[in-house]
Amino acid sequence: DGGITQSPKYLFRKEGQNVTLSCEQNLNHDAMYWYRQDPGQGLRLIYYSQIVNDFQKGDIAEGYSVSREKKESFPLTVTSAQKNPTAFYLCASSPVSNQPQHFGDGTRLSIL
Amino acid sequence: DQQVKQNSPSLSVQEGRISILNCDYTNSMFDYFLWYKKYPAEGPTFLISISSIKDKNEDGRFTVFLNKSAKHLSLHIVPSQPGDSAVYFCAATRVLIGNQFYFGTGTSLTVIP
Repeated sequence: DGGITQSPKYLFRKEGQNVTLSCEQNLNHDAMYWYRQDPGQGLRLIYYSQIVNDFQKGDIAEGYSVSREKKESFPLTVTSAQKNPTAFYLCASSPVSNQPQHFGDGTRLSIL
Repeated sequence: DQQVKQNSPSLSVQEGRISILNCDYTNSMFDYFLWYKKYPAEGPTFLISISSIKDKNEDGRFTVFLNKSAKHLSLHIVPSQPGDSAVYFCAATRVLIGNQFYFGTGTSLTVIP
């Protein structure tokens, strides 16, 4: 079955550590996205990529980095510069940008 | 600044009755709107969309209404079923120039059997 796989489901990070969240899709979609969800807030866009080897910052990119070396993969690195990383992270993809997105089941990141 | 707002954090409805979820937006340039449904521990699932050239779009039990002058859209579910209990997010974008959807904060719907 086609879909988006995010791993791991739960992730713990120590202060000062970088951590990478995985997102893989087998839908052959060109566009991929990373969102962050905090309690009482909507989904906020961190980064998006419309095509391989290209990505753009969203509204809250500070403290995060991404890569898009393969069409199927869009990993998100939460760096030590992100001062409040505890959140629920969602990865999504769409055939092209501005079409309805398919979401993964998310990764919950917590700070130890 | 929140460009898409869902002012009701929660809603409870009896099974079989109509559920009406509301969403307001501030950017008059938005021209494409979507509703997503999210169960706990899962990602959102696309439900229904509407373009600004329409004022209504229907898909089975789900109908979305768009009032451009009021910058308001609503999702009607009729009849409501217990399986509809979930968090519903609305989202909006500018199709031609935007690459970004702006999401509301969500409304948690509980359908009481």
